[in-house]
Amino acid sequence: DVVMTQTPVSLSVSLGNQASISCRSSQSLLHSDGNTYLSWYLQKPGQSPQLLIYLASNRFSGVSNRFSGSGSGTDFTLKISRVEPEDLGVYYCFQHTHLPYTFGAGTKLELK
Amino acid sequence: QVQLQQSGTELVKPASSVKISCKASGYTFTSNYMHWIRQQPGNGLEWIGWIYPGNGNTKYNQKFDGKATLTADKSSSTAYMQLSSLTSEDSAVYFCARGRFAYWGQGTLVTVSS
Repeated sequence: DVVMTQTPVSLSVSLGNQASISCRSSQSLLHSDGNTYLSWYLQKPGQSPQLLIYLASNRFSGVSNRFSGSGSGTDFTLKISRVEPEDLGVYYCFQHTHLPYTFGAGTKLELK
Repeated sequence: QVQLQQSGTELVKPASSVKISCKASGYTFTSNYMHWIRQQPGNGLEWIGWIYPGNGNTKYNQKFDGKATLTADKSSSTAYMQLSSLTSEDSAVYFCARGRFAYWGQGTLVTVSS
């Protein structure tokens, strides 16, 4: 199985500052069809995960442009600029290139 | 708009089975994969498998082979997951998610307890 390693496990930020989360996969996530099936989600308490970024760098419909994804192969990053209160929660990276599909363990974004 | 409405909380006994549902609306049910994902208390997310409602084909995470059975009813645009031989380890929130994982149900809490 592809192991998704997220760092850091938790992140304390001040409102208005930038946050950055890293995700590293144990195998390249480049699919034979040319796409890289790496997504980023935010899960708030008691809610289902909400899609932020798909195909490594594409912002999902309605997602603030403060969120940006980058990376290729095995190394990916999610950046959140000007953190706002509604950004707090647990962030997950997720790969659906290789079966079985796998998630990172999560990064908890908290207020400093 | 796309909606996935899951069935409610289940409290079930060890060694029994449970069947949870995910009713889809706002898109063509038979043309999109439906995935199921597990989230154990305080833990991360695990992909269980998918079903393609158009032809009933399924694919499972080997970890859930024999534990989960995925079915779909085209007439009601509803996907189902049956979990069998339940133990406390199966206590979790279960989500359905459409196709490329952009749309998720609200989750169904299954608690296994005597």
